[in-house]
Amino acid sequence: GESVGLHLPTLSVQEGDNSIINCAYSNSASDYFIWYKQESGKGPQFIIDIRSNMDKRQGQRVTVLLNKTVKHLSLQIAATQPGDSAVYFCAENINYKLSFGAGTTVTVRA
Amino acid sequence: EPEVTQTPSHQVTQMGQEVILRCVPISNHLYFYWYRQILGQKVEFLVSFYNNEISEKSEIFDDQFSVERPDGSNFTLKIRSTKLEDSAMYFCASSSGGLDEQYFGPGTRLTVT
Repeated sequence: GESVGLHLPTLSVQEGDNSIINCAYSNSASDYFIWYKQESGKGPQFIIDIRSNMDKRQGQRVTVLLNKTVKHLSLQIAATQPGDSAVYFCAENINYKLSFGAGTTVTVRA
Repeated sequence: EPEVTQTPSHQVTQMGQEVILRCVPISNHLYFYWYRQILGQKVEFLVSFYNNEISEKSEIFDDQFSVERPDGSNFTLKIRSTKLEDSAMYFCASSSGGLDEQYFGPGTRLTVT
């Protein structure tokens, strides 16, 4: 069965606001998580990753939070821009293969 | 910046025909992968390849599928006898290590008619 999944399939956000995309996973042994962005007609693009020995990791305008207690992962995008419109996937790296969630489509309103 | 490339970008084939999808991974990477994405669905793992052999494969990767690294730069996915349900985007990816970032190519859209 599916081991990762996202809470909401779509998210509409006003340009300049912060976005939060959520993901739940079921495999408590998972220790490496990645967020990918996929624009229309393109392959998944790495955004940020986090390993299970951390609970927070920050990149440029993005933050990933990991709550191992409730097996929850989130991606926060600060000051969302039109170029952030895409489908966002969380993924687990299990035995060197990626298991993707279903994806959240983020639409940025001008 | 180095990138994974894939050819062709779009392949149309008739049911029962063989197709070969081609990928050129990033040159110093050692791990190679194929994933597929049926329209509107999530990305699904097919197979991983390391040290000239398959490391892991999914249930989707049955006897109709095979992978090969015929030379030092190419990585191919062959579907021996395509079915309608093989229609999907096929993504190649590569990484330097098994737990390192996987870089994805732009994909090949396979349409089986």
